[in-house]
Amino acid sequence: DAKTTQPTSMDCAEGRAANLPCNHSTISGNEYVYWYRQIHSQGPQYIIHGLKNNETNEMASLIITEDRKSSTLILPHATLRDTAVYYCIVRVGINTNAGKSTFGDGTTLTVKP
Amino acid sequence: DTAVSQTPKYLVTQMGNDKSIKCEQNLGHDTMYWYKQDSKKFLKIMFSYNNKELIINETVPNRFSPKSPDKAHLNLHINSLELGDSAVYFCASSQDPVSSYNEQFFGPGTRLTVL
Repeated sequence: DAKTTQPTSMDCAEGRAANLPCNHSTISGNEYVYWYRQIHSQGPQYIIHGLKNNETNEMASLIITEDRKSSTLILPHATLRDTAVYYCIVRVGINTNAGKSTFGDGTTLTVKP
Repeated sequence: DTAVSQTPKYLVTQMGNDKSIKCEQNLGHDTMYWYKQDSKKFLKIMFSYNNKELIINETVPNRFSPKSPDKAHLNLHINSLELGDSAVYFCASSQDPVSSYNEQFFGPGTRLTVL
């Protein structure tokens, strides 16, 4: 699975958009970009995933660059409850080892009032 | 109606003991996983089972043995516990390991402390 690089920490004002970047310059053609988050003392929570097109769901939007070497997770209106560690993971989706994934260091997002 | 549940939530034990952590999912998923999150918060996969068969076995000491009595349960048994086994262990499940839609649902975690 491709390695990802994320900033260690970010702050965001409540009500503003939080933009979390992720670099995955060694991504392969059949690898998907997944985002999870982990709120303190809880299990990781799936947010969104994509292959090459931008994706949006009720939680967030995922913007993937055309060369697929980086992506940005957007929380459109951050709330205090969005304070968490956000993990960007790249892994193969259509493969017998599709479930194999190691979460890196992630970005600690702190939403401030 | 918790989707993925683990017991116990906390486990404190002495070095050398044998202990088990249980995991159950009521989502009807075919695949279950065990992850270890160390003190630096790095989350690493240990095992994955699909329909009760082992499909992923990372470099984990053979003191760790997963057991899947049915596809809704994946228990983790640890023999001869060591100090370095102290961590939070997360169970997870997903619908299908070979699908492009591979959202994993995680349990609340079991904090293991070895004294």
